[in-house]
Amino acid sequence: LAKTTQPISMDSYEGQEVNITCSHNNIATNDYITWYQQFPSQGPRFIIQGYKTKVTNEVASLFIPADRKSSTLSLPRVSLSDTAVYYCLVGDMGAGSARQLTFGSGTQLTVLP
Amino acid sequence: DTGVSQNPRHKITKRGQNVTFRCDPISEHNRLYWYRQTLGQGPEFLTYFQNEAQLEKSRLLSDRFSAERPKGSFSTLEIQRTEQGDSAMYLCASSLTGAHSPLHFGNGTRLTVT
Repeated sequence: LAKTTQPISMDSYEGQEVNITCSHNNIATNDYITWYQQFPSQGPRFIIQGYKTKVTNEVASLFIPADRKSSTLSLPRVSLSDTAVYYCLVGDMGAGSARQLTFGSGTQLTVLP
Repeated sequence: DTGVSQNPRHKITKRGQNVTFRCDPISEHNRLYWYRQTLGQGPEFLTYFQNEAQLEKSRLLSDRFSAERPKGSFSTLEIQRTEQGDSAMYLCASSLTGAHSPLHFGNGTRLTVT
């Protein structure tokens, strides 16, 4: 299982760029890195997924260095509504095992006005 | 709304009672997962179905817990003889069959055992 380590909490101000880093030193060759966002009393919501280098979509960017032992979720120009818990998930369902899709404790991002 | 649907949203029960939750996944998703989440923690994996077959169960899933997915469509999670330690949010997710298909979660059922 690729364990992940994230900061417990981060604060930012509206309009700033926020970078949340996740460490996954034991990542396996076939593992992908997926980030989820969770608001209180809701289920996690998929944000972005990547394998290596950089991935960008309409809400975020994901930076993965060559050794893949960490990844950084980048949220451009955050707003108050981005206040949520962000989870980094590392795994691969190729072998048919869901057990490894294990969430850590996540990072509580608080955006201040 | 074509997302994952869970019912009920909230359930309050007395210790010792049985409860059943329902999950309706996204229709074209073959995989269905149950997770449990307690306050301040990330979701913990409970069990996973590929179509109607239950392929994995966590050690967390004691013999008081049972999950079914008849006909590979909706799924139910039953907890028998509930205990106060069962109080948690129970989350259902579904995904396509690909090795890296993201999970799509419902908004969960909040269980409170008094």
